[in-house]
Amino acid sequence: GAVVSQHPSWVICKSGTSVKIECRSLDFQATTMFWYRQFPKQSLMLMATSNEGSKATYEQGVEKDKFLINHASLTLSTLTVTSAHPEDSSFYICSARQRGDTIYFGEGSWLTVV
Amino acid sequence: AQSVTQLGSHVSVSEGALVLLRCNYSSSVPPYLFWYVQYPNQGLQLLLKYTTGATLVKGINGFEAEFKKSETSFHLTKPSAHMSDAAEYFCAVSGGGYNKLIFGAGTRLAVHP
Repeated sequence: GAVVSQHPSWVICKSGTSVKIECRSLDFQATTMFWYRQFPKQSLMLMATSNEGSKATYEQGVEKDKFLINHASLTLSTLTVTSAHPEDSSFYICSARQRGDTIYFGEGSWLTVV
Repeated sequence: AQSVTQLGSHVSVSEGALVLLRCNYSSSVPPYLFWYVQYPNQGLQLLLKYTTGATLVKGINGFEAEFKKSETSFHLTKPSAHMSDAAEYFCAVSGGGYNKLIFGAGTRLAVHP
């Protein structure tokens, strides 16, 4: 089946710095990608939807200036957590959708801000 | 708008017993419904999905689910639990096709000998 890859799988960064997480669709063109956040032992919360070549649509309550999402190509979307703080520590998961097709999830990225 | 309610945050069954995980949804348009499994510190694995057509859908690892529109339910079942089924299970809904998924709170399944 289709593969969605996230990188890095684990990242530790210092408070106040920025960190970028990549989401790639390896064998298909993803017209739409979704970013989710999951706190320990909780469900997935949709952060934003990104369509290739256009600005991301953020869910209510998600700070777009803090969580920068770029979908510059049909196979790559990036999430940048700017000026990270310990409360941003979480599991971030992306998913990708091929036009008219099903949705595939990445393996997730653990972010720890110290 | 769509929403999902999973009844029971924790379910415990004996190995070999029936597994039943409950999911009710709300959607203003015909829904697509999904069940995902998540093992500790891992991403999501799709178990099965309902889009259109047959309301009883079969997935991987012996799981199946039935879409009941009148009850707005999409419960997940497996006839005989295995120790390896212990994980977190998420029901999700999207409206009008393969759009953004809205997840339920999840149900942690424990399987004991």
